[in-house]
Amino acid sequence: EVQLLESGGGLVQPGESLRLSCAASGFTLNNFAMSWVRQISGKRMEWVSAITAGASIAYYADSVRGRFTISSDNSKNTLYLQMNNLRADDAAIYYCAREASHPYFDYWGQGVLVTVSS
Amino acid sequence: ENVLTQSPGTLSLSPGERATLSCRASQDVRSNLLAWYQQKPGQAPRLLIYGASSRATGIPDRFSGSGSGTDFTLTISRLEPEDFAVYSCHQYATTHTFGQGTRLEIK
Repeated sequence: EVQLLESGGGLVQPGESLRLSCAASGFTLNNFAMSWVRQISGKRMEWVSAITAGASIAYYADSVRGRFTISSDNSKNTLYLQMNNLRADDAAIYYCAREASHPYFDYWGQGVLVTVSS
Repeated sequence: ENVLTQSPGTLSLSPGERATLSCRASQDVRSNLLAWYQQKPGQAPRLLIYGASSRATGIPDRFSGSGSGTDFTLTISRLEPEDFAVYSCHQYATTHTFGQGTRLEIK
């Protein structure tokens, strides 16, 4: 059974950093492209970042480019999102999601809450 | 950016009724690369439909998707109690964008 479990969220002050993790099970992470998608409460979802199968290429939304870094650790079958210089508008629930062959998302995690407030 | 607008914002129906949800794109969605997801509080979003009309694995046949170009529809033929949730559309033809969601509530 495919499962994705996010962790690492919490409350930080503006300018601080967080690293989110997404532990994958039931499949080999290295064989799939993966994304991070976020959702502010009651708002539409926003794609944040993606990494290709094999972790060769990373993509970022303009809103996070230069501040966020996506990566993966094949030995741990885990996806990461390093978030630096966090801003109030980064506060959201962050989901990791697996991309199918066409890049719709066939499996999602339950999400992790990031709060940015002074 | 291809902006997706869903309507209605909230749909109030009773179990057994038919639900029709709309998703309109500001630009043509190439090759109908559009998906629908179901979201319930505290749960992972669930893929229902991809390619505008293909049901994902394990999705009941009461869920169907249709449309092309800029206008897409998700239809739930006979609502079951577990279908009351938020539904979002997603285009993946260009940089991913999502609709704002339709809340399907029990009348």
